[in-house]
Amino acid sequence: EPEVTQTPSHQVTQMGQEVILRCVPISNHLYFYWYRQILGQKVEFLVSFYNNEISEKSEIFDDQFSVERPDGSNFTLKIRSTKLEDSAMYFCASTRLQGARETQYFGPGTRLLVL
Amino acid sequence: AQSVTQLDSQVPVFEEAPVELRCNYSSSVSVYLFWYVQYPNQGLQLLLKYLSGSTLVKGINGFEAEFNKSQTSFHLRKPSVHISDTAEYFCAVSGDTGRRALTFGSGTRLQVQP
Repeated sequence: EPEVTQTPSHQVTQMGQEVILRCVPISNHLYFYWYRQILGQKVEFLVSFYNNEISEKSEIFDDQFSVERPDGSNFTLKIRSTKLEDSAMYFCASTRLQGARETQYFGPGTRLLVL
Repeated sequence: AQSVTQLDSQVPVFEEAPVELRCNYSSSVSVYLFWYVQYPNQGLQLLLKYLSGSTLVKGINGFEAEFNKSQTSFHLRKPSVHISDTAEYFCAVSGDTGRRALTFGSGTRLQVQP
């Protein structure tokens, strides 16, 4: 069964450094999402992406964040200058079609620790 | 705006006992409701979803959920749990004002004991 994959599984970085989290969505999916979960808190929506554009974003997704689909398979989340509070599990998800009814398929997550 | 409340952060239960994980949502319009499960070191996996129609929804691994519009609830149930059901369970909602992004509850940790 096709899966969403994410790399790396864990990343440790120093405050102020840039990080890039990578995701490979399911191959025939067209809509992509990033969520994060700070330890002990809810899973929160960051951003959705379709046709090389951001479709929706939350108030969390500020200028420090950016997303990109650099090729036909990868979908990346970049944090330009990491802060301590960016430490979280980051999940990528994808759907084949547009719409709130669609099942979002999640990857296993990247655990980011900012020191 | 849509929101989700999962009333229990942890639910311990003995193997083969029934279980109910509670979820209440808040929205000004009709929404779509989902239950996801997260096993250790894995991503979120869809258990079941309610879009429309029958209020009783059956999902994978013997789970089911009932949508109750008047009580704005979508509780998850299983008549007999297994050790392998030990996981974190998340209720989520989408669709308020056309929003496709999922809004999650805080999760319920189901701990099945032998």
